[in-house]
Amino acid sequence: DAMVIQNPRYQVTQFGKPVTLSCSQTLNHNVMYWYQQKSSQAPKLLFHYYDKDFNNEADTPDNFQSRRPNTSFCFLDIRSPGLGDAAMYLCATSRETSGTPGDTQYFGPGTRLTVL
Amino acid sequence: KQEVTQIPAALSVPEGENLVLNCSFTDSAIYNLQWFRQDPGKGLTSLLLIQSSQREQTSGRLNASLDKSSGRSTLYIAASQPGDSATYLCAVDSNYQLIWGAGTKLIIKP
Repeated sequence: DAMVIQNPRYQVTQFGKPVTLSCSQTLNHNVMYWYQQKSSQAPKLLFHYYDKDFNNEADTPDNFQSRRPNTSFCFLDIRSPGLGDAAMYLCATSRETSGTPGDTQYFGPGTRLTVL
Repeated sequence: KQEVTQIPAALSVPEGENLVLNCSFTDSAIYNLQWFRQDPGKGLTSLLLIQSSQREQTSGRLNASLDKSSGRSTLYIAASQPGDSATYLCAVDSNYQLIWGAGTKLIIKP
């Protein structure tokens, strides 16, 4: 009964080699988020979609891009991964954006990215 | 700018003890506050959500309180078990985004 699914769970790439991470949801939520989490740190929001509207955080590097072809799927593309991009990448969904009373974000299991 | 702090960063207690994890935030204008659990190498699981108009929420052995005026929340875990070992993060829904603490790593010793 997985609700937010991320593939792959582990991804190894080479320095500079493009990589795509995938997220899908069965909740039919409007909002999908991508977070980057490094060891022992809080998750850092990279961007989010409300339906097809894309919202980029001001400090998200241009190296990170995202696509949401339909309600269920969202992709994170890292165009030229550097060693500093090694992290856990978490996808989350919610019915509405933050500020909606009682709403919560549902997280996937994450993709751990290793850059060699 | 909202900032969220969790103290302590790590905590180790014997099985069976009751314990309290702390979360503080700098701006009381929040929509809600959530506590999440993260197991090593895994994603995040929402434990409790307290809306800004509420004072506490309970789920099983977990009780979370919220005091907006003082900018504090606590997560109380009763009768701790080794399976409670994980990192616990609090997140404040403020200004249309979640602001996260760095987490408390909890180890319950059998």
